[in-house]
Order: sequence, then C-alpha cells, then structure tokens
Amino acid sequence: GQNIDQPTEMTATEGAIVQINCTYQTSGFNGLFWYQQHAGEAPTFLSYNVLDGLEEKGRFSSFLSRSKGYSYLLLKELQMKDSASYLCAGEDSNYQLIWGAGTKLIIKP
Amino acid sequence: GAVVSQHPSWVICKSGTSVKIECRSLDFQATTMFWYRQFPKQSLMLMATSNEGSKATYEQGVEKDKFLINHASLTLSTLTVTSAHPEDSSFYICSARGREDYEQYFGPGTRLTVT
Repeated sequence: GQNIDQPTEMTATEGAIVQINCTYQTSGFNGLFWYQQHAGEAPTFLSYNVLDGLEEKGRFSSFLSRSKGYSYLLLKELQMKDSASYLCAGEDSNYQLIWGAGTKLIIKP
Repeated sequence: GAVVSQHPSWVICKSGTSVKIECRSLDFQATTMFWYRQFPKQSLMLMATSNEGSKATYEQGVEKDKFLINHASLTLSTLTVTSAHPEDSSFYICSARGREDYEQYFGPGTRLTVT
C-alpha cells in the first residue's frame, strides 16, 4: 500500500534548528514534496526532491534518500512565524501526491 | 509565479442547497486540477483529479453525484456541492498543475459552512 509517515507534533525554540522526518511507501516514486501550511490557509510549496541528497534553500533544507524511503525537512534559525504544519507528500508513478498527515511545529520563545 | 485563485473564499449556505466553487489558474494553463477537502486539524484529503476536457477521477469514498466537478477549460475548474449538509462543512482547496510542471499550485481555499 501507499503510506506517508511523519510525526504529529514537534516543539522547538526560537533561533534553534529542527528536523522533521518523513518516511514513505508509494507505488513507484517520482519525488517528494514538502509544503508549509498555516492554520486556515492553503499549503505553500517549500521543496521538491527527486535525487538523493540535501537541497538547501535559505533557512530551509530538504533531504532525500530514495533507497531508504526517507526524507527530512531541516529548518534553521527558527522564527515564530515558522509555527505551522509541515506536510510531506510523495509523488507516485502516476504523478499523484500521497499526503502525510502533517507535522504541527510549535515554536516557543 | 503561477497563481491560482478560488471563489468564493468563504460561503455559508442552508442545508439542502447547492454551492459552486470556482478554481482558476491566472497565468498558466492548468492541464490537471485537483480538489481537496480538509477538516480541522487534519491533513488534505484528495477528492478528485480532473484533466481538461475529460471527466474527473474521484477518490474512493467520494460521491461523484454529490460533488460535481467540471474542468471545461485550461484555466477553470468548478466544484459543485449538491444538496449540502452540515457534515459537508469543510475547507475546500483546489490546486493546479501545468503540462510541463511537477509542482501543484494551490488556491487560497474556500471555507464552506452549511447550517
């Protein structure tokens, strides 16, 4: 079956670093997306990984290991505005997104 | 960047009435559009996928006669919730993808409340 697993909730301190993990099982695999969603708003695109390795984009980086079915989103220099849900989505061979339940990230001062 | 709009952004309707939600890609041609529903504190749930000019493909458990989807052009898809009931109250979000694109661009969402 197809499945995306990520932690339900994480807490971190302003200015710190946090890593949100995601494991996936999909029918074929094209790539992995990370989206940020603030409460009451639509998701916004953060990253798309196709190849193994780390891709850095400012304070946010995303890592993929295709052999392990594993990805993580790394957020550095956390700011209060980073409090949101972070959704991991695997793209299967039919270009359908299989969504994780999302990780609610709480940033404390 | 690619922009997707939704209209209305929120709507309140009475039980038994129908509501139409529009999703438009403003600056690109959306060959595929997706409709999602999201209940409070839950993840996105894909309802259906539609390709321009063809019938939508509904996910298991989604009633196609209740949630009518029309993707008549490369820039417009509509979702009509027919005979709405309070349990249909939710956040409905559309997304669109162009032919050569991997990313889904999300609309801002429509909050539906059925009283």
